Amino acid sequence: KNEVEQSPQNLTAQEGEFITINCSYSVGISALHWLQQHPGGGIVSLFMLSSGKKKHGRLIATINIQEKHSSLHITASHPRDSAVYICAVTYSGGGADGLTFGKGTHLIIQP
Amino acid sequence: NAGVTQTPKFRILKIGQSMTLQCTQDMNHNYMYWYRQDPGMGLKLIYYSVGAGITDKGEVPNGYNVSRSTTEDFPLRLELAAPSQTSVYFCASSYEFLRNWETQYFGPGTRLLVL
Repeated sequence: KNEVEQSPQNLTAQEGEFITINCSYSVGISALHWLQQHPGGGIVSLFMLSSGKKKHGRLIATINIQEKHSSLHITASHPRDSAVYICAVTYSGGGADGLTFGKGTHLIIQP
Repeated sequence: NAGVTQTPKFRILKIGQSMTLQCTQDMNHNYMYWYRQDPGMGLKLIYYSVGAGITDKGEVPNGYNVSRSTTEDFPLRLELAAPSQTSVYFCASSYEFLRNWETQYFGPGTRLLVL
């Protein structure tokens, strides 16, 4: 079965700290997505990448295709970054076109 | 644009009842998806559609039905509600195949409780 594993499951940090969330997957993918789920439940797409690195504001996402691993970094973390961060992939093979999701990392940034 | 809208926001059903979860998008997207999110678990794909009149099963389709009569609407039907269907349901859409590196847009979710 194709799996997407995230670590850590839960992370509590102080405001200003550098945050790293990891994601690993088991087979070849077309793309990897990082999503953010707000405390109210809404889900937004942060990044979509198939190679290298992307940066948006204080968020940086990297992917290593050979190691089947991606990281999401948050610099100068802030309490408003508190959310669940979800890694998801679209696989290269046939079948359903939807995303396969990890279980998410619950991040709390304390003031 | 309203994006992806879902109704209702919350519903309580009795075992055996039926209901339809509504999903509408105004972005003229071809692809639409239904996911469920159970506590502590990743979202799982129920059904998806690649265009009006075309639907296909995802990972967990049992107990659900869908239709796609228009580009905008993609309702999810529960015929005989069971406690195992207690979950949060998300509808999503994208313009192209996700394998073409498209972004997926999510609705706000419908929380369903089956008692």
